[in-house]
Amino acid sequence: DAKTTQPPSMDCAEGRAANLPCNHSTISGNEYVYWYRQIHSQGPQYIIHGLKNNETNEMASLIITEDRKSSTLILPHATLRDTAVYYCIVLGDDKIIFGKGTRLHILP
Amino acid sequence: GAGVSQSPSNKVTEKGKDVELRCDPISGHTALYWYRQSLGQGLEFLIYFQGNSAPDKSGLPSDRFSAERTGGSVSTLTIQRTQQEDSAVYLCASSLWDLPNEKLFFGSGTQLSVL
Repeated sequence: DAKTTQPPSMDCAEGRAANLPCNHSTISGNEYVYWYRQIHSQGPQYIIHGLKNNETNEMASLIITEDRKSSTLILPHATLRDTAVYYCIVLGDDKIIFGKGTRLHILP
Repeated sequence: GAGVSQSPSNKVTEKGKDVELRCDPISGHTALYWYRQSLGQGLEFLIYFQGNSAPDKSGLPSDRFSAERTGGSVSTLTIQRTQQEDSAVYLCASSLWDLPNEKLFFGSGTQLSVL
C-alpha cells in the first residue's frame, strides 16, 4: 500500500520546469513526503523530502500544501538526464514502500 | 568505498541452485535494506536490518529466502533452490540511521537470471 497517487507519465520540454504532482490525502501528522527517482538500469536516487514546510536543495524543490494532502516536486530546468521514473512516497516508519511512480519524459 | 557496493553485478544460475548476493553498505551506516525489482515492475521491499538485527522480514517471498548481516556492515541475501520467478534485480540500500527522517543510498543491484 503506497499511500500515494501519481500520474503514470508526463512530458516536459528540455529547459522548462518539470512539475510532478502527488496526492497523499491519508497522510498523518508524523509522516514525511519523500521523492526518489530511478534512471533506467540504475538504483533509485534520493531527491528530497519534507514534513510540513517547503524544501529546496540543489536538485529540486518540494512544495507541500498547507493541509499536506498533496505535494509537487519541481525540477527547475529539466534536462534530458532527468528522464526517469519519479516516486513520491509517504513515510512514517521504518521502511520505504515504492509505488508505480511517474515516468517523466524530457523532450528535446 | 564511497557508495553502496553490490556483488556480483550479474549472476546466471540454473533452477534449483542456491545463490548468495552480497551488499557492502556505506561505512558507518546502521540501517540496510534489500529490495527486488522484476523486469518492468516496481520495487518490492524484502527485508531491513538495524545493526545485525532484522526487525522487519515481512517482505521475504518464501522460506527459500534468507538474509543476514554481520558486524553491522556486510549483508548477504541467500536464495535456496532458485526458481525462474526469482529472476530480478536485487537492490541493496543503506542509511545512516533508521527512517523516517533519513536518506536511502542504493547500490547498482545484482541482476539475477535463473534459467
